[in-house]
Amino acid sequence: GEDVEQSLFLSVREGDSSVINCTYTDSSSTYLYWYKQEPGAGLQLLTYIFSNMDMKQDQRLTVLLNKKDKHLSLRIADTQTGDSAIYFCAERNQKVTFGIGTKLQVIP
Amino acid sequence: GAGVSQTPSNKVTEKGKYVELRCDPISGHTALYWYRQSLGQGPEFLIYFQGTGAADDSGLPNDRFFAVRPEGSVSTLKIQRTERGDSAVYLCASSSTGVSEQYFGPGTRLTVT
Repeated sequence: GEDVEQSLFLSVREGDSSVINCTYTDSSSTYLYWYKQEPGAGLQLLTYIFSNMDMKQDQRLTVLLNKKDKHLSLRIADTQTGDSAIYFCAERNQKVTFGIGTKLQVIP
Repeated sequence: GAGVSQTPSNKVTEKGKYVELRCDPISGHTALYWYRQSLGQGPEFLIYFQGTGAADDSGLPNDRFFAVRPEGSVSTLKIQRTERGDSAVYLCASSSTGVSEQYFGPGTRLTVT
């Protein structure tokens, strides 16, 4: 079945770049997503990439997709304390399968 | 425009009781999804509706779980004979057909005592 894996924790200093990595197994995925979840809040879609693209940039966010290796990454430039949250990678074929989430801690 | 809403926001019930969780999707969204998120985990897919019909219910853990969407808008997730292991946040999301983004509601936190 589908599986999405990501590291559990990342700590960066304010102003540095953050890179959160994810691997997935479903080669039929059509879309890959990054969601942000702040404590006690719902899931917020940050960005997504179609499976035939290899890069997407949206302001401070850059998504890189290596379809051959089934590897997805999210780079956050100039990380701010407000970026502290849990970041979920997800892939979609028909249904959406989420990873366990990476907790990003931004140190002032 | 209103986003996805879910009621109640919190539900505490005793083991063995029946519960219903409601989701109001964004108006006009034909696709509706239910997920369950346990503490420290990512959302786990339960069921997906396209219109009134369940297009994929492979994520429902057992026959105590059932969901309906009779008019293709509001959906109700029903859990019979609740167990303590059912305690989680139940998330609903909706999207337009052919559009990639799913918009999530705030969730219903279910606690089974």
